Amino acid sequence: AQSVTQPDIHITVSEGASLELRCNYSYGATPYLFWYVQSPGQGLQLLLKYFSGDTLVQGIKGFEAEFKRSQSSFNLRKPSVHWSDAAEYFCAVGGSGGYQKVTFGTGTKLQVIP
Amino acid sequence: DTAVSQTPKYLVTQMGNDKSIKCEQNLGHDTMYWYKQDSKKFLKIMFSYNNKELIINETVPNRFSPKSPDKAHLNLHINSLELGDSAVYFCASSPGQGPFEKLFFGSGTQLSVL
Repeated sequence: AQSVTQPDIHITVSEGASLELRCNYSYGATPYLFWYVQSPGQGLQLLLKYFSGDTLVQGIKGFEAEFKRSQSSFNLRKPSVHWSDAAEYFCAVGGSGGYQKVTFGTGTKLQVIP
Repeated sequence: DTAVSQTPKYLVTQMGNDKSIKCEQNLGHDTMYWYKQDSKKFLKIMFSYNNKELIINETVPNRFSPKSPDKAHLNLHINSLELGDSAVYFCASSPGQGPFEKLFFGSGTQLSVL
């Protein structure tokens, strides 16, 4: 069975500082990996996704993520955080059964302070 | 134009009532989904339809019945509502049904059962 762990429930960073959100997954084969962002009162929006190829993936809004098979990780990074990045971030893993049936992590809430 | 729209945004009702949530997408996608997000932000798939055909049906009580009159619409009807049904319900769509598809989410329906 596939699963995702996001160890950090809540992270606070200063505006302009760098950010790394952790994600560890469990999946038997090569996983499909995603990062979504949810702003308050909104649905989720895809930031980036990975299946194969270059292990460093670029996404929207200046985010990137690196797939590390040896560590079963897919951490999300941003070099300089903006106040508008404050939101909930969800890592997800998919691939089971051939359908789009991702398993989401429990999310990391990002707070940005001036 | 809103890509994935769901109504109502808020739904407050008494235990035992029957209610429906409607979802429409204008993206021309073939696949639509219902997700449930609980109070701890855990997001779990409930159903998926591809071109009006049910393809994913998770272990959801049979009080929940999805209906897809056409591929642009996926409604969710809930009978005999219970306190535990209180959650945010998200509709989503994707171009196809494959495991690497990007999900496009609606802004959610917050259901409160009193």
